[in-house]
Amino acid sequence: DAKTTQPTSMDCAEGRAANLPCNHSTISGNEYVYWYRQIHSQGPQYIIHGLKNNETNEMASLIITEDRKSSTLILPHATLRDTAVYYCIVRVATGSNYQLIWGAGTKLIIKP
Amino acid sequence: DTGVSQNPRHKITKRGQNVTFRCDPISEHNRLYWYRQTLGQGPEFLTYFQNEAQLEKSRLLSDRFSAERPKGSFSTLEIQRTEQGDSAMYLCASSLVGTGRLAKNIQYFGAGTRLSVL
Repeated sequence: DAKTTQPTSMDCAEGRAANLPCNHSTISGNEYVYWYRQIHSQGPQYIIHGLKNNETNEMASLIITEDRKSSTLILPHATLRDTAVYYCIVRVATGSNYQLIWGAGTKLIIKP
Repeated sequence: DTGVSQNPRHKITKRGQNVTFRCDPISEHNRLYWYRQTLGQGPEFLTYFQNEAQLEKSRLLSDRFSAERPKGSFSTLEIQRTEQGDSAMYLCASSLVGTGRLAKNIQYFGAGTRLSVL
C-alpha cells in the first residue's frame, strides 16, 4: 500500500512556480522521500530525494516539514515540457533491499 | 551512459502464448528491478537482482512470471501462458548500490515494454 497521498491533478501557468504537495504521515525515521515524474509513454524520471533536510538540484527543490509528515516539490519556473504525472514516493527498507512504494501520483498540467 | 534500454517497446500477443522482454541496465549498475504498471497507477514492484542473484521474487504476480539475469548484465522477464490481465507496461530500472563514492541508490528507468494480450 502507498504511504503517500497526493492530489489527483493540478494546473500551473507556464513560467510560474509549480508547488506539488504530498502527505506521508506514517513515514518512519529512516525512510526517504523520493520524487519521480512520468511523461506520457515514457519511463519514470528521477527528480530529487531527501530525508529531513530541504534539497535542491537543477530540476527542483524539495521542502520537507520538520515533523516529516509532508513535503512539497517545487518546480521554480514551469514549462510546457513539465506536464507529467509526478509521484511522491517513500523508500522503505525491506531486508537487503530498498523498495519504492508508489501511489497514483499527481497529474500536473502546465498551461500556456 | 546510454541509459536503461528495454526491448521490445511494444508486444502484442495472443492469450496463452509465452512472451519474453529484455532489459539492458546502465553498465556499471549492480541492481536491476522489474516493475509492472497498469493504466492510471504507479509502478508495482515485481522482483530485483543484485548482480546475478535474484534477491526478491515474492512479489512476482504468479508462477507464470519469471526473471533471469544470468551474467549480472542484461535481464529477461518471461510471462508464460499469457492472460488478458497481463496487459500492462513492464518497466525495468537499475541502480548502483554500495558504499563507494558513485553509489547513489537512485533507480533509473527504461521506457518500458507495453504488452497487449488479445
